[in-house]
Amino acid sequence: AQSVTQLGSHVSVSEGALVLLRCNYSSSVPPYLFWYVQYPNQGLQLLLKYTSAATLVKGINGFEAEFKKSETSFHLTKPSAHMSDAAEYFCAVSEGTGGFKTIFGAGTRLFVKA
Amino acid sequence: NAGVTQTPKFRVLKTGQSMTLLCAQDMNHEYMYWYRQDPGMGLRLIHYSVGEGTTAKGEVPDGYNVSRLKKQNFLLGLESAAPSQTSVYFCASSYVQFSGTDPNTQYFGPGTRLTVL
Repeated sequence: AQSVTQLGSHVSVSEGALVLLRCNYSSSVPPYLFWYVQYPNQGLQLLLKYTSAATLVKGINGFEAEFKKSETSFHLTKPSAHMSDAAEYFCAVSEGTGGFKTIFGAGTRLFVKA
Repeated sequence: NAGVTQTPKFRVLKTGQSMTLLCAQDMNHEYMYWYRQDPGMGLRLIHYSVGEGTTAKGEVPDGYNVSRLKKQNFLLGLESAAPSQTSVYFCASSYVQFSGTDPNTQYFGPGTRLTVL
């Protein structure tokens, strides 16, 4: 069975500092992996996704994530945080076709200090 | 394109009342989903549909019913609301692809915030 663990329900960084949000997964088959972002009072929107084409995935707003099979991880990073990055971030794992097999992590809220 | 829209945005119910949440998508997606979001628990799948006229249970289906009479619409019903159903409800939709560059990506609506007193 697939599962997702996001380490840290809250992460706080200073503006301009590195952002690192951690995600570990388990899956019995090669997975599809996603990071979604949710801004206050909005729905989730796709930030980036891993579909086995490349282990380093680049997304919107300068974010990227690296798929590491040996560590079963898919951590999200951004070199320099911006105030507008403050949001909640969800890691998700999906097996096969059909989004009904998608499992979402509990979420990590990112705070950015001026 | 409006994407995924949800009606209403907010609702307050009393215990035992019923209501229907409406989701509409204009992307011709086959799959549609209803999730609930609770603090510290991420998103949990309530029901989903793989096409017009078909529905299936997700992780937390009790107390909810759904219908997909038209491909673009997915309705979520609460027959007798309970305080435990206070939550934010999200509808999502996705394509069906067996290979390609966009497998399983879900597109979300803005959510409905429901409070049951």
